[in-house]
Amino acid sequence: QVQLVQSGAEVKKPGASVKLSCKSSGYTFTDYNIHWVRQSPGQGLEWMGRINPHSGDTEYAQKFQGRVTMTRDTSISAAYMELRGLRSDDAAVFYCARWGYGDGLDIWGQGTMVAVSS
Amino acid sequence: DIQMTQSPSSLSTSVGDRVTITCRASQTIRSYLNWYQHKPGKAPQLLIYGASTLHTGVPSRFRGSGSGTDFTLTISSLQPEDCATYYCQQSYITPLTFGPGTKVDIK
Repeated sequence: QVQLVQSGAEVKKPGASVKLSCKSSGYTFTDYNIHWVRQSPGQGLEWMGRINPHSGDTEYAQKFQGRVTMTRDTSISAAYMELRGLRSDDAAVFYCARWGYGDGLDIWGQGTMVAVSS
Repeated sequence: DIQMTQSPSSLSTSVGDRVTITCRASQTIRSYLNWYQHKPGKAPQLLIYGASTLHTGVPSRFRGSGSGTDFTLTISSLQPEDCATYYCQQSYITPLTFGPGTKVDIK
C-alpha cells in the first residue's frame, strides 16, 4: 500500500545536526512532492518546506532558511531532511508527508521524534 | 505570511451531537483550504481538501464549506473515534500555514 516510513527517534546535543529519512513505497516517488512538518511539544503543526523528488527543487519556510536542507535519493525512493544548529526548542516530532494530486497532504509518515539535550 | 485562526480552541460535547469548527484566513485564500484530523501518537490525516472535497475514505459525517477567508468544518453526528485535534491549513501560497487547532473531546 501507499506509505511513507520514517527513520527512528534521535537524541542530539545542542548545536548538532540531525538528518531524518522518509522512505516511500506503493507509488511513483517522483510524481509527488514531499513536505516536512514539525510539531513541537504541546504546539500545533508547522510547515518547514518541501522538495520535488523529480527535479530536486526545494522551497523552505523562511524560519528555517540557512539551517535546513531537503534532499532525495530517487534510486531508493527516499527523501531526507537535515536540520543544523539544533537548539532546545527544535525538539519536536517531524513528519514527512506527500502532497496529493487534489490538494493537501494525503499520506503522512509516522513521525520521528527528535530530542535536543546536553 | 497568511495567518490562520480557529475557533473554538477546544470543545467537549456528547456522542451524536453536531460539531462546528470555524477557520479564518488573514487574507483571501479562495478555496485553498484543507482540514486534518490529528490523534495523539498518530500521524495527521487529511479529511477535506479544496475547502469542501472529502478525501478518500473519510466518513460522510464530515463536511467542509466556505471560501475566501471564512471556512467551516462540520461533523454531523460526533462519534467516539472523532476525538482528536482538528487543524485547518491554507495552500493558497507558501509558506503553507496551519491554524492553531481545535481539540474535540467527548463529554
